[in-house]
Amino acid sequence: KAGVTQTPRYLIKTRGQQVTLSCSPISGHRSVSWYQQTPGQGLQFLFEYFSETQRNKGNFPGRFSGRQFSNSRSEMNVSTLELGDSALYLCASSPDSLLEAFFGQGTRLTVV
Amino acid sequence: GNSVTQMEGPVTLSEEAFLTINCTYTATGYPSLFWYVQYPGEGLQLLLKATKADDKGSNKGFEATYRKETTSFHLEKGSVQVSDSAVYFCALSDRVDYKLSFGAGTTVTVRA
Repeated sequence: KAGVTQTPRYLIKTRGQQVTLSCSPISGHRSVSWYQQTPGQGLQFLFEYFSETQRNKGNFPGRFSGRQFSNSRSEMNVSTLELGDSALYLCASSPDSLLEAFFGQGTRLTVV
Repeated sequence: GNSVTQMEGPVTLSEEAFLTINCTYTATGYPSLFWYVQYPGEGLQLLLKATKADDKGSNKGFEATYRKETTSFHLEKGSVQVSDSAVYFCALSDRVDYKLSFGAGTTVTVRA
C-alpha cells in the first residue's frame, strides 16, 4: 500500500510570491491534515479536511488556505510569502478519527 | 485546551542503555495518546499508540502506558541501539477537534 505522498519535496520561493503544496493520502483515507514544523514553534496544526470539508483550522493567518478534492487529495496554498513561512510542511492522512495518522515526508519550503 | 509537555533534550546515551522520555498531557476530553519518531530528513512515523487508560502501546522494543491518574504517557526502551537516534514526539488526539497536539520533541542520540 503506497504511503502519503507530498510534492514537491523541496521548494525555494521569494518573499511575496505564493506557493501550492500537494498531498496524496493513503488509498481509502478520507481525512487529510496539515502541519507546519519549525525549530522555534515545533509542530503546529494548520487545518484538517474530511470528504472535502474543512473540520478544523489552526491559528494561522488567512494567507494559509487549503482544500481537498473528491479523490481525497489535498492542496495547501500560502500567499504573499514571508521569511517566517520557511518550514517543513507535513501532511497526514487517516481513515477518519485520528486513531492513527500517517505522515508524508514533507515539503521543505524556503523563503528568501 | 489540549497540551503536551515533553521532557526536554537532547538526550545522549550509550548503546544498550535504558531510555525514558517523560510525557504528560492536559486534555479536556478522553484523548488517544501517541508517540511519533522523526529521523533526519524524514516525516513522522507512528511508533506506538494507546487509546484508553492502562493500555500499553509497544513497538520495536519501545513501550508506553496510558496513565490517566497521572496524565502521563512515558516512553521507555530497555536497550537502545544507534539506529534509535532520532527525534521523538509525544502527541494526543481528543477525537473531537480532528487534530494532533504535539510536544516539543526530544532529540535522542545513541553512541556506539
